[in-house]
Formats: sequence, C-alpha cells, structure tokens
Amino acid sequence: EAQVTQNPRYLITVTGKKLTVTCSQNMNHEYMSWYRQDPGLGLRQIYYSMNVEVTDKGDVPEGYKVSRKEKRNFPLILESPSPNQTSLYFCASSPQLSGANVLTFGAGSRLTVL
Amino acid sequence: AQSVTQPDIHITVSEGASLELRCNYSYGATPYLFWYVQSPGQGLQLLLKYFSGDTLVQGIKGFEAEFKRSQSSFNLRKPSVHWSDAAEYFCAVGRYNNNDMRFGAGTRLTVKP
Repeated sequence: EAQVTQNPRYLITVTGKKLTVTCSQNMNHEYMSWYRQDPGLGLRQIYYSMNVEVTDKGDVPEGYKVSRKEKRNFPLILESPSPNQTSLYFCASSPQLSGANVLTFGAGSRLTVL
Repeated sequence: AQSVTQPDIHITVSEGASLELRCNYSYGATPYLFWYVQSPGQGLQLLLKYFSGDTLVQGIKGFEAEFKRSQSSFNLRKPSVHWSDAAEYFCAVGRYNNNDMRFGAGTRLTVKP
C-alpha cells in the first residue's frame, strides 16, 4: 500500500531533550515536506525537500532541522524542543515539486513539550 | 503571496441536511485548488481538486466544489451529510512548479443525529 509513515504518533517530552520524528514514504516520491498544524492556523510548512540532499526552509523553520540522505526518508529533528513546539506534525510527499501535485500525508505525530 | 481564507471555523449540520463550506483565495492567476479532509486521528486525504476546465468538480464521498473566478471562491458542497462526514476540512491553493502551497485554517464539521 502506498503510504507515508510517521513515528512516533504520540510523544511527550521535556524542554531541551532532543528528539527526531521519522517520516518514510514508499512511493518513490521526489518531494517531501513537513507541516505543523495548530488550531486556527491551519497547516504551516516547516521544511521541504525537492530530492535527496536538497532541502529548504518553509514558513516556520525556526527550531527545526531536517535531512534527506535517502529518497524515502525525511526525518524532522528538534534539537532543543520548547513548549511552543507543542503541535500536531504532518509529513507529506508528492511525485515532484509542483503546486498541481496531490500531497500524500502521514497520519500525524502529536508532540507535547513540557 | 497567495492566501486562503475559510471563514467558518466550526459548522454544525443535521444528518441528511445539505452542506456548504466556504473557501476564498487570494492569487493573481488561476491557482490549483484542493479540498482535503482530516478525520480524527488521521492524516489529510484529498477530496477533490481543480486545475482547469469544468468549474464544477466532483470528488470522493459525494462531495463537489465549484470554482468561481469572479468571487475567488472554491466552495465545497454535499447534498446530504452523513454522520461519517464529521471531520475537519481544509482548502488549499497551489501554483505550478512552485512550493508555495497554502492551506486555510480549516473548518470543523459536526454532524447532529
């Protein structure tokens, strides 16, 4: 089944404790992206990647890092999480970078930073 | 920069009633328009999309949307809502060969029995 898999689905952590949210897709998509969803704000893009080793900032990149060493994986790294990063995170992918492409989303990762 | 407005944060309808969710966008040219649905605990799933051609597009689960260029709108409709339609709905706008896809803030739909 074609899908985007995120882990963990739920995580509670404390301020400053580094964490990684993994994202993997099995569709050979070139384009991958991370979003955060907050009430009243919709989805805001954190980082995106057009292909292996090509990443760029989205609208809200502060406090996050990403890497794209393999085509299928696009982990989101929070080096020193803070409470304002408490949110619902989604990874998404599409065949290429194009506003016309439909995004395939993961099921989401709910992160709480205490 | 393009933007998307969903004026209704929360809508409640009775099962069997009709539904219209509003979406307005700001963009200089014809955008690519999408409606996604997010069921509780799940990721976003595409309901329908509009790129060009017939301005009335059909989607999954009995949903349709109409693109009105003069009003910069892309409203989502369903003639008869089912309890399983309770979810959050997001309108999105994209541009060709561009990363600048924008999502609205979402409309939460509650369905009364």
